[in-house]
Amino acid sequence: EAQVTQNPRYLITVTGKKLTVTCSQNMNHEYMSWYRQDPGLGLRQIYYSMNVEVTDKGDVPEGYKVSRKEKRNFPLILESPSPNQTSLYFCASSLSGQGVRGYTFGSGTRLTVV
Amino acid sequence: AQKITQTQPGMFVQEKEAVTLDCTYDTSDPSYGLFWYKQPSSGEMIFLIYQGSYDQQNATEGRYSLNFQKARKSANLVISASQLGDSAMYFCAMRDSGYSTLTFGKGTMLLVSP
Repeated sequence: EAQVTQNPRYLITVTGKKLTVTCSQNMNHEYMSWYRQDPGLGLRQIYYSMNVEVTDKGDVPEGYKVSRKEKRNFPLILESPSPNQTSLYFCASSLSGQGVRGYTFGSGTRLTVV
Repeated sequence: AQKITQTQPGMFVQEKEAVTLDCTYDTSDPSYGLFWYKQPSSGEMIFLIYQGSYDQQNATEGRYSLNFQKARKSANLVISASQLGDSAMYFCAMRDSGYSTLTFGKGTMLLVSP
């Protein structure tokens, strides 16, 4: 089944403890992206990647890192999480240049930083 | 910079009635794509419908249609014959010409009553 897999689905952590949210897709998509969703703000893009070893900042990159060493994986790293990073996170992927139906979203990761 | 505006935080509709969810957008790109996504209470993002900026006809997908008025920069979602299962958050989103960014509106919560 074609899908984007995020892990974990739920995570509670403490301020300052480094964490990684994994994202993997099995569709050979070039494009991958991370979003955070907060009440009243919709989804905002954190980082995106057009292909392996190519990443770029979205609208809200502060406090996050990403890497794209393999085409299928695009982990989101919070090196020193803070409570304002408590949010619902989505990973998405797409074939480059394929706008129609092209974006497949993961199931989301609900992160709480205390 | 791209911007999506959804002015209706919440909408109520009775079962079997039609409902229109508003979306206006702003972009200087001549080429772009417009999406609507549904997010039920379970949290996943479900693709509903897509409209390309050069598409001559309004997109339709089953009970969903997109009322695309390019000159007014609006892309309203019309749901015909509402069902209880349509109760969810609905997001309008726009893809840029470089296929690198998907910009979301803040969403409209739709509640369908029996």
